Amino acid sequence: SQKIEQNSEALNIQEGKTATLTCNYTNYSPAYLQWYRQDPGRGPVFLLLIRENEKEKRKERLKVTFDTTLKQSLFHITASQPADSATYLCALFSGGYNKLIFGAGTRLAVHP
Amino acid sequence: NAGVTQTPKFQVLKTGQSMTLQCAQDMNHEYMSWYRQDPGMGLRLIHYSVGAGITDQGEVPNGYNVSRSTTEDFPLRLLSAAPSQTSVYFCASSPETSYEQYFGPGTRLTVT
Repeated sequence: SQKIEQNSEALNIQEGKTATLTCNYTNYSPAYLQWYRQDPGRGPVFLLLIRENEKEKRKERLKVTFDTTLKQSLFHITASQPADSATYLCALFSGGYNKLIFGAGTRLAVHP
Repeated sequence: NAGVTQTPKFQVLKTGQSMTLQCAQDMNHEYMSWYRQDPGMGLRLIHYSVGAGITDQGEVPNGYNVSRSTTEDFPLRLLSAAPSQTSVYFCASSPETSYEQYFGPGTRLTVT
């Protein structure tokens, strides 16, 4: 069956370091992959979209990679700040299903 | 623009009661969807719509009905509430399925 896996354990890092979050998927051939940020008590907010023919996408301190052979996306936040503390969700769009399916998310805590 | 609005913010229902969660967007988006979010399970797609008059089922549609009579509104109906439907419900919209999703603030529903 189709599955999207994100590390369920919280990621704790020191301010200034690079945070790396992982999104693995099975039994999908996604045309797009998206990353969202969610703060407690709020709806998710879109961050980045990467297409299957793109290896890497950047936006300010954020970088996303997409490896369709490994079936994995990595989400990096460089020079992390306490304000980056949140839950980060990956989502896959598979054209055959016409739906956007989300992973469970990884909580990131950046400590001063 | 108000973006995506949801009402109510909080709701408590007794088992067997019915209710409608309201969702509206003012961005003229064709695609709208409903998700529920439970601890450790991430966002699960309930129903979605690719335009007025067109709806389809997501991953967990049982116990919920939707309709899309206008581009702006996409209400979610609980026919006979069950404790298993206790969750936080998010509505989202986007210009197309594969584009970034704009989420509402959520409705926290408790069924006793």
